[in-house]
Amino acid sequence: DAEITQSPRHKITETGRQVTLACHQTWNHNNMFWYRQDLGHGLRLIHYSYGVQDTNKGEVSDGYSVSRSNTEDLPLTLESAASSQTSVYFCASSGRGRNTGELFFGEGSRLTVL
Amino acid sequence: KQEVTQIPAALSVPEGENLVLNCSFTDSAIYNLQWFRQDPGKGLTSLLLIQSSQREQTSGRLNASLDKSSGRSTLYIAASQPGDSATYLCAVEEFGGNEKLTFGTGTRLTIIP
Repeated sequence: DAEITQSPRHKITETGRQVTLACHQTWNHNNMFWYRQDLGHGLRLIHYSYGVQDTNKGEVSDGYSVSRSNTEDLPLTLESAASSQTSVYFCASSGRGRNTGELFFGEGSRLTVL
Repeated sequence: KQEVTQIPAALSVPEGENLVLNCSFTDSAIYNLQWFRQDPGKGLTSLLLIQSSQREQTSGRLNASLDKSSGRSTLYIAASQPGDSATYLCAVEEFGGNEKLTFGTGTRLTIIP
């Protein structure tokens, strides 16, 4: 079955370190998204991509970057981790045409920045 | 800026009861609205998607309605079961939003056996 996987599922890091969260989908979806989930804020969009070599900033993109070199992967990089980036991160993908999206989510990556 | 609100934040009901979860949004210019389920420590699973031109969608014991003009959606769960215990989130996609969703903070539902 097609799926979307995230790794690592849990990570503890120190302030200032670079961290990369991986997202891999086997749906062959063009559209991929990264969200963070925090208590009291719901899910907020960090970055998104509509295809290879396409990346766009979301609502809370400061301190994060993504790259899309193939259809299957959209890694999320924290350039210099900060305690405010402690959160649960979710990757999602959608394969339908624009504006008809049903999103499929990974199981999340819990990041703690000490 | 679109804001999505879900009240109450938590709800407990006895097994077998019918229940309604509420979602409201501030900008009625939406393309669609989705209801998701999230189990503890898990990702989100899409339950129902309602296009802006639709009034409701049904899947099994779930029925979602949309009143775009008033900025409201409801998720009706019939004959609740303990397995329905989870957090339910609604999310709206603005017209032309290209699948960028604005989420509510969710309602945590507990079904009491």
